[in-house]
Amino acid sequence: GNSVTQMEGPVTLSEEAFLTINCTYTATGYPSLFWYVQYPGEGLQLLLKATKADDKGSNKGFEATYRKETTSFHLEKGSVQVSDSAVYFCALTLPYNQGGKLIFGQGTELSVKP
Amino acid sequence: DAGVIQSPRHEVTEMGQEVTLRCKPISGHNSLFWYRQTMMRGLELLIYFNNNVPIDDSGMPEDRFSAKMPNASFSTLKIQPSEPRDSAVYFCASSFPRGAGTEAFFGQGTRLTVV
Repeated sequence: GNSVTQMEGPVTLSEEAFLTINCTYTATGYPSLFWYVQYPGEGLQLLLKATKADDKGSNKGFEATYRKETTSFHLEKGSVQVSDSAVYFCALTLPYNQGGKLIFGQGTELSVKP
Repeated sequence: DAGVIQSPRHEVTEMGQEVTLRCKPISGHNSLFWYRQTMMRGLELLIYFNNNVPIDDSGMPEDRFSAKMPNASFSTLKIQPSEPRDSAVYFCASSFPRGAGTEAFFGQGTRLTVV
C-alpha cells in the first residue's frame, strides 16, 4: 500500500543548529511529495513540495530532495530558529487519475531552544 | 478567499450525544478531505471526496461515523453516538487537483472533547 514514515520526535535543538528530519515513503505509481508544518493551535500549511525524482523543494531556508532510488524526502535546514518550533509532517499524494489520496506521516515535533 | 472554514472550533459533549462537524471548502476546490489528529495515532485520513462523491472511506473508524457532501460548498462529519475515545482535533482540507503537486489547504480544525 501507500504510506509515509517519519523519524520519531520530539526533536530538540539549540538555535542555529542543523536540522534533519527523515522521511521515507512507499507508493504505487508516481507520487508528489510534500512537507507541511503545523504551528501550535493551527491547521497544517504547506512548507515545500517536489513533484518528480531529483526535484528539490525549498522555502524559508528549508529544503528537501525527492530521491526515488532511496524513496526518501528528508527535510533539512542549515540554521534553525526558535520560530521554527512546530510539528512537521511529510506527505505524499497520488496523481488525480489514481484517486488523488493525500497521505501523511505521523509528524515530528521540533522544539528549538534559544 | 477566506480559506477552509470549519465550525465549531471547539465542541464539548457528553458521551452518547450526536456531534456534527461542519466544513466549507475553498470555492472552486473539488477535493475535500477529513482528518483526525490525536497524540497516539497522529493524523489519520478518515474520508475524502472528489466532486462531492466519497472516493475512499476506509479510514472511517466505525459505523458511528458518517460524512456527507451534499454540494460543492459544504460537508459534514457526524458521530452518533459519540464516545470519549472520539476526543481529537478534526481537520477538513480542500484542494483543486491540477496535476502533480497539488497543495491541500487546511481549516483551523475542530477540537472535540467527549466527556
